[in-house]
Amino acid sequence: ETGVTQSPTHLIKTRGQQVTLRCSSQSGHNTVSWYQQALGQGPQFIFQYYREEENGRGNFPPRFSGLQFPNYSSELNVNALELDDSALYLCASSSPGRATNEQFFGPGTRLTVL
Amino acid sequence: GENVEQHPSTLSVQEGDSAVIKCTYSDSASNYFPWYKQELGKRPQLIIDIRSNVGEKKDQRIAVTLNKTAKHFSLHITETQPEDSAVYFCAARGLNTGNQFYFGTGTSLTVIP
Repeated sequence: ETGVTQSPTHLIKTRGQQVTLRCSSQSGHNTVSWYQQALGQGPQFIFQYYREEENGRGNFPPRFSGLQFPNYSSELNVNALELDDSALYLCASSSPGRATNEQFFGPGTRLTVL
Repeated sequence: GENVEQHPSTLSVQEGDSAVIKCTYSDSASNYFPWYKQELGKRPQLIIDIRSNVGEKKDQRIAVTLNKTAKHFSLHITETQPEDSAVYFCAARGLNTGNQFYFGTGTSLTVIP
């Protein structure tokens, strides 16, 4: 298992609500990427944080936002939830400055929007 | 941005046979290509990867090949076992996309005992 953790494991919200998901990166990793994985699909890149700043964004609306903290942990915030936001949200940590290019995934947060 | 296509979407093989999954990518600057295995309800796990300066890499029953000219890469699993049954994802990371990873849509592999 990787050292990447996520919380909560599962979450149920209703349309219009807001949600915050959390990710703790693997020790020594300064980059966190967030992905949305709908059922039966591959992970879709939401955004990446590197040293507390957004370092790239996929095709997601502004109601998806994030933060990275000095200890490199990260939050994903989603406002005005829609039914289509129901998915598994994965974070992955990596350290581009190292020789390895690997990113390590957390176990994910299963979000259900009713 | 990068576009990664993966085929086939489903694959069934008899135990002991080989399985091949293929991916293409669009960004010629992509330089790192990992493959992930995801079992039901679990996180994606890296099983093998290849960098753009290498044409082939092997790890026991698993191998990956890369054709930079054609912009495609493939996963080869030999002597398949029932525990190989899972969804497999390819991904590409490109310098032109800020070192971000883009994933294929996945291949559901079933190994029939």
